[in-house]
Amino acid sequence: KQEVTQIPAALSVPEGENLVLNCSFTDSAIYNLQWFRQDPGKGLTSLLLIQSSQREQTSGRLNASLDKSSGRSTLYIAASQPGDSATYLCAIGGATNKLIFGTGTLLAVQP
Amino acid sequence: GAGVSQSPSNKVTEKGKDVELRCDPISGHTALYWYRQSLGQGLEFLIYFQGNSAPDKSGLPSDRFSAERTGGSVSTLTIQRTQQEDSAVYLCASSRGGGEQTQYFGPGTRLLVL
Repeated sequence: KQEVTQIPAALSVPEGENLVLNCSFTDSAIYNLQWFRQDPGKGLTSLLLIQSSQREQTSGRLNASLDKSSGRSTLYIAASQPGDSATYLCAIGGATNKLIFGTGTLLAVQP
Repeated sequence: GAGVSQSPSNKVTEKGKDVELRCDPISGHTALYWYRQSLGQGLEFLIYFQGNSAPDKSGLPSDRFSAERTGGSVSTLTIQRTQQEDSAVYLCASSRGGGEQTQYFGPGTRLLVL
């Protein structure tokens, strides 16, 4: 059974810092990995999707990497801003694309 | 364009009553998913529809839960004889299907069972 873990559970950083969020998974037989953000009381917003054959994806200040063999992904956020404050979730997509989610990292960027 | 919409946004019900939650996916998306987000359980998959194929119901927690998708578009999640442990945020997502795997989520329905 696939299990997804995110570390740290919570993180507080001053504005402008670069930061890394971690996601690990137990079964390397994945189709893709997605990173989402969730704002309080809102749904999920897709940030990046990495196919199993890819090593990384970039979108603006965000860079996500994938190492399938070690069961790890990282989300790198450059020059963090208060607007980046949210819960970040990683999710593993399998054969049917139903997602298995991690427990999330609650990020607070202090102005 | 319009994203995934869900209704109602909030629902308070009494234990034992039935509830229906609605999801309108993005137009043209063939795949539709229901997830549940509850305290202590995180986000968990409930059910998946892809085109005209039989739905994947492997995540439904009990036979009190059912879902249908009419005309390949709108979906309704029904919870019969609600229990307090059903209290959660129910999220719907859709994707284009086929090779496009990115899922787009709606704002969710917050269900509180008293």
